[in-house]
Amino acid sequence: EPEVTQTPSHQVTQMGQEVILRCVPISNHLYFYWYRQILGQKVEFLVSFYNNEISEKSEIFDDQFSVERPDGSNFTLKIRSTKLEDSAMYFCASRPTVYQETQYFGPGTRLLVL
Amino acid sequence: AQTVTQSQPEMSVQEAETVTLSCTYDTSESDYYLFWYKQPPSRQMILVIRQEAYKQQNATENRFSVNFQKAAKSFSLKISDSQLGDAAMYFCAYRSPSTQGGSEKLVFGKGTKLTVNP
Repeated sequence: EPEVTQTPSHQVTQMGQEVILRCVPISNHLYFYWYRQILGQKVEFLVSFYNNEISEKSEIFDDQFSVERPDGSNFTLKIRSTKLEDSAMYFCASRPTVYQETQYFGPGTRLLVL
Repeated sequence: AQTVTQSQPEMSVQEAETVTLSCTYDTSESDYYLFWYKQPPSRQMILVIRQEAYKQQNATENRFSVNFQKAAKSFSLKISDSQLGDAAMYFCAYRSPSTQGGSEKLVFGKGTKLTVNP
């Protein structure tokens, strides 16, 4: 069964450094999402992406964040200058079409900012 | 804005018994979708069950079923014949109806940690 994959599984970085989190959504899915979960807290929506543009973003998704689908298979989340409070689990999700409701999640990337 | 509330931070159940996890939500929309996701210690979010608000019949997936009360805005999850592998965080989530090009983001509750005792 097709799955959403994410790399790396864990990343440790220094405050102020740039990080890129990578996701490979399920093939033929059209809608893509990033969520994050700070340890012990609920999962929060960051951004959604459709037809090569952002369709919605949350207040968390400020100018330090960007998303890209560079090659038709990967979907990336970039944090330009990481802060301590960016430490979290980052989940990528994808959805097939507008008529199918379920979002399928990847295993997540655990980001630790020191 | 929609909100989702899970009032039970932790629950426990004996193996083979039945447990019900509560979820309430607030929305002004009449059509929407509700989900239960499971997050085991591996941290991956796994879909357990979903419910379309326009369907009166409660969704069922094997040992998992929901009690959807639209007027009360309640969406509880019942796990029958609990197994050790059911131990996980369970998140209730809400999603607005689909629109072409819309995001249909998921709004999550804070989760309920379920422990299954042998």
